[in-house]
Amino acid sequence: SQQGEEDPQALSIQEGENATMNCSYKTSINNLQWYRQNSGRGLVHLILIRSNEREKHSGRLRVTLDTSKKSSSLLITASRAADTASYFCYSGGSNYKLTFGKGTLLTVNP
Amino acid sequence: GAGVSQSPSNKVTEKGKDVELRCDPISGHTALYWYRQRLGQGLEFLIYFQGNSAPDKSGLPSDRFSAERTGESVSTLTIQRTQQEDSAVYLCASSPNGLAGGEQFFGPGTRLTVL
Repeated sequence: SQQGEEDPQALSIQEGENATMNCSYKTSINNLQWYRQNSGRGLVHLILIRSNEREKHSGRLRVTLDTSKKSSSLLITASRAADTASYFCYSGGSNYKLTFGKGTLLTVNP
Repeated sequence: GAGVSQSPSNKVTEKGKDVELRCDPISGHTALYWYRQRLGQGLEFLIYFQGNSAPDKSGLPSDRFSAERTGESVSTLTIQRTQQEDSAVYLCASSPNGLAGGEQFFGPGTRLTVL
């Protein structure tokens, strides 16, 4: 299964703070992807990091990947209320069927 | 178009009726996927299209479910004789080439409620 396991299950922070969530996976990968889901904007692809990359930035997002530990982290800087959502990781390998774990529920309080 | 669109956004139907859900993928994307997400649950894969053919229908829950894609664009998911357990959000996604492990771009979903 390409499903990742996100940690923590829930995270509550104040607006302006940084949020860090982690992902562990079990299989070999071509890439690691992060998705966000909330009621307002649905399920959205956030960022993809390839297996030969160690860090990638996109706006306020920073993703790291450690293939030796089969883990990834997603950092959201200067969080906003609109970042409130569930965040999922997906270890992209030989399967096109997206499967997610339970995700990290991030709540950003105004 | 700018993104994946789905219609209707909400559908309420009575048990036993047929429903059709529509997906318009991003222009030029050859791969199209249908997923189902029940309340509080994860994604459930239904079917994958590469062009107009469906090499993987393994996720369709029963023969009441069918899907087609025409012109390498629009896809329709049909549920016949709907049951209450069919109530869920049906999500469509597309990707440029259907490569395994590639990113998928999702539509807003159709929320189906079967009374």
